[in-house]
Amino acid sequence: AQSVTQLDSHVSVSEGTPVLLRCNYSSSYSPSLFWYVQHPNKGLQLLLKYTSAATLVKGINGFEAEFKKSETSFHLTKPSAHMSDAAEYFCVVSDDYQLIWGAGTKLIIKP
Amino acid sequence: DSGVTQTPKHLITATGQRVTLRCSPRSGDLSVYWYQQSLDQGLQFLIQYYNGEERAKGNILERFSAQQFPDLHSELNLSSLELGDSALYFCASSVAGRVTDTQYFGPGTRLTVL
Repeated sequence: AQSVTQLDSHVSVSEGTPVLLRCNYSSSYSPSLFWYVQHPNKGLQLLLKYTSAATLVKGINGFEAEFKKSETSFHLTKPSAHMSDAAEYFCVVSDDYQLIWGAGTKLIIKP
Repeated sequence: DSGVTQTPKHLITATGQRVTLRCSPRSGDLSVYWYQQSLDQGLQFLIQYYNGEERAKGNILERFSAQQFPDLHSELNLSSLELGDSALYFCASSVAGRVTDTQYFGPGTRLTVL
């Protein structure tokens, strides 16, 4: 069965510094992987997705993620954090018929 | 704005009651998904419909049921409500219902069971 682990429940960075949100997955086959973002009191929005094409995936708002099969990882990065990036981020792996969601990482941006 | 609408935004009810949550998908999307988000369980997939037919079932309790109507809107019915059913319920839609499709989420309905 597919599963996903977000390694940090909270990440705090200063505005203008790099962001790294870590995600490891477990899958019996080559999965599709996603990152979704949830801003406070809002719905979820897709940031980016990997579906077996290029291993470096670029998303919205300057985020990108790299699929590393050997490490079973799909970490999310951004070169320079902005105050508007403060939100909860979810790493998601596809199963046969459903999405399996990580527990979420809350990103805190310090001014 | 994702184009997915959900009503009501908030719902407060008592244990044992029944409620109906409504979702209208984005124009052109044929598939609707329901999710439950709670503090202890996180985000859990409940059920998916595609063009009026049930496509996939997740961790949906027997007290819960859903349907998708000919105009493609969907309703999630929750009955014999318990305190533990208090959660944020999201609806999402996608074009074709494949697991790799982008899902567009509504703003959610916050259910409080007292």
